[in-house]
Amino acid sequence: QVQLQESGPGLVKPSGTLSLTCAVSGGSISSSHWWSWVRQSPGKGLEFIGEIHHNGNSNYSPSLRSRATISLDKSKNQFSLKLTSVTAADTAVYYCASQWEILRGAFDGWGQGTMVTVSS
Amino acid sequence: EIVLTQSPGTLSLSPGERATLSCRASESISGIYLHWYQQKPGQAPRLLLYGGSSRATGIPDRFSGSGSGTDFSLSISRLEPEDFAVYYCQYSGSFGQGTKVEIK
Repeated sequence: QVQLQESGPGLVKPSGTLSLTCAVSGGSISSSHWWSWVRQSPGKGLEFIGEIHHNGNSNYSPSLRSRATISLDKSKNQFSLKLTSVTAADTAVYYCASQWEILRGAFDGWGQGTMVTVSS
Repeated sequence: EIVLTQSPGTLSLSPGERATLSCRASESISGIYLHWYQQKPGQAPRLLLYGGSSRATGIPDRFSGSGSGTDFSLSISRLEPEDFAVYYCQYSGSFGQGTKVEIK
């Protein structure tokens, strides 16, 4: 099982862009995984943001598709999330997660999560 | 988009009791893509069951899953103190809203 670690600013201004990176260790980002972002607003449930495969295919939540972009950096074995035009509603703990293809979409690995607050 | 509805919202039980959590899909789905997670306060979710009924690595056999079509369930045969947490079901990009299992 790979290990995942999120990093990025904990505070983003309204209308700005949220940028997070997830470092993958214990395995290659070019392995049989999908790499995903999931968020959790304070006191709320889990919300899928999107996912990317090393072959370049990606999928996004319909509600965030217009604002979210997930990309891979194979040279650094990491992947990233950019979320534009953020508002207070985007305040959440952001998790990066892995989905091993053999598990048919189950999130078998999770980062510890990073809290991002949208505020001026 | 599939909507997953979990019930009950909160389950109040005592250690040693059996817990049964429900996850209902808005339309029929394949159980091989239905997964369950446990989340404790301040922690990331942890995969419990994948494919509806297969336990993830290190998950004790008191956790079991079943179901088909639109109705799925997670059972915990005898609650241990560490099992009191929030549980989520997931199908593709959809999560249920969670069931909190609390100590009665």
